[in-house]
Amino acid sequence: SQTIHQWPATLVQPVGSPLSLECTVEGTSNPNLYWYRQAAGRGLQLLFYSVGIGQISSEVPQNLSASRPQDRQFILSSKKLLLSDSGFYLCAWKPPLWATEAFFGQGTRLTVV
Amino acid sequence: AQSVTQLGSHVSVSEGALVLLRCNYSSSVPPYLFWYVQYPNQGLQLLLKYTSAATLVKGINGFEAEFKKSETSFHLTKPSAHMSDAAEYFCAVSEGTGGGNKLTFGTGTQLKVEL
Repeated sequence: SQTIHQWPATLVQPVGSPLSLECTVEGTSNPNLYWYRQAAGRGLQLLFYSVGIGQISSEVPQNLSASRPQDRQFILSSKKLLLSDSGFYLCAWKPPLWATEAFFGQGTRLTVV
Repeated sequence: AQSVTQLGSHVSVSEGALVLLRCNYSSSVPPYLFWYVQYPNQGLQLLLKYTSAATLVKGINGFEAEFKKSETSFHLTKPSAHMSDAAEYFCAVSEGTGGGNKLTFGTGTQLKVEL
């Protein structure tokens, strides 16, 4: 069966520090991968998605970037964190063909101080 | 463009009472619709989905939802609330399959279940 792993679970970082959040999917090939951010009372905002290695689409201009160095690995990064980057970050995947729903990781709670 | 509106950011019900969480959508094509549940500090778990088959969809934990095209609605119901149902619920819409067809979420409804 397929599983998605996301780490770390919680992270406290100072303003101006770099960020790297990692997500990996097991048990499938060529998944579609997504990064969402959840802020209190604002639902889920799609940040990036990827349909293949090295293919990244950005939904919202911001202080973050994403990369997909391997088929089942999706990384969210920042060179310098802002206070506004605080939130709950969720990675998700969909099967490559004829997929409707997405499956989510357990999330990373990021607090920028 | 697709969008979702969830009426009521907070809903409170008594244990054993009917649960009704409202969702209205906007889509330029026949949509795929979903309900997800989120427990504190966890990811989202799929409750149920509508993919153009039966309009009444049954999901996990006794939840069901009915797709009403004329009302552009996909409300979530459960006949009898349980304490374990307390969580945040998200309605989502997608306009197709494949990686480029993203899920667009509503802002969520926090369900509180009281004794």
